[in-house]
Amino acid sequence: GAGVSQSPSNKVTEKGKDVELRCDPISGHTALYWYRQSLGQGLEFLIYFQGNSAPDKSGLPSDRFSAERTGGSVSTLTIQRTQQEDSAVYLCASSLRGDTQYFGPGTRLTVL
Amino acid sequence: AQSVTQLGSHVSVSEGALVLLRCNYSSSVPPYLFWYVQYPNQGLQLLLKYTTGATLVKGINGFEAEFKKSETSFHLTKPSAHMSDAAEYFCAVSERGYGGSQGNLIFGKGTKLSVKP
Repeated sequence: GAGVSQSPSNKVTEKGKDVELRCDPISGHTALYWYRQSLGQGLEFLIYFQGNSAPDKSGLPSDRFSAERTGGSVSTLTIQRTQQEDSAVYLCASSLRGDTQYFGPGTRLTVL
Repeated sequence: AQSVTQLGSHVSVSEGALVLLRCNYSSSVPPYLFWYVQYPNQGLQLLLKYTTGATLVKGINGFEAEFKKSETSFHLTKPSAHMSDAAEYFCAVSERGYGGSQGNLIFGKGTKLSVKP
């Protein structure tokens, strides 16, 4: 079957605008993770979903960041009032019942 | 708190030479350990993982890693490098979650491997 897909692959936005990043996990995978990859900070965990619930939001860097998951499938990461330091590659991963995580290709976000 | 240290942000080897990428971890509980590879402009691909059992783990593309609890290490090796191995490699650790599941991954800073002809 298909792997994890993310859209858009690239997003350029102006400082202060809101953006939505989408993740389609592998079908049947109950766990979904968001990570951020930036030059300065490396790979950082953002949030974890089990089904539609997010038991671990500890990595979200500020209240401008939020995420939801619907139907135990698609997830959206929303960044409000984007700042230049939000520029990064946002990676999504999914796993079957918390086993091995499979990563998508990422969304490259550039905030001008 | 868990952490991962990868020694060497850049490693360069000749084609056919041994590849050794170092990873040390810190964890208060027995961890799960992983190596992922990232090719330019792509996501992360799992090379291998250690959960329980045999401490020498074999992965894809001829890579293997050995879990050494006494040294808190999980170094990645490959006997003979190929040009296609040039990529960035990330070591990661996670806690054991409920029912033996995997928690979120804590990554090292990555090691960029170059392979010279």
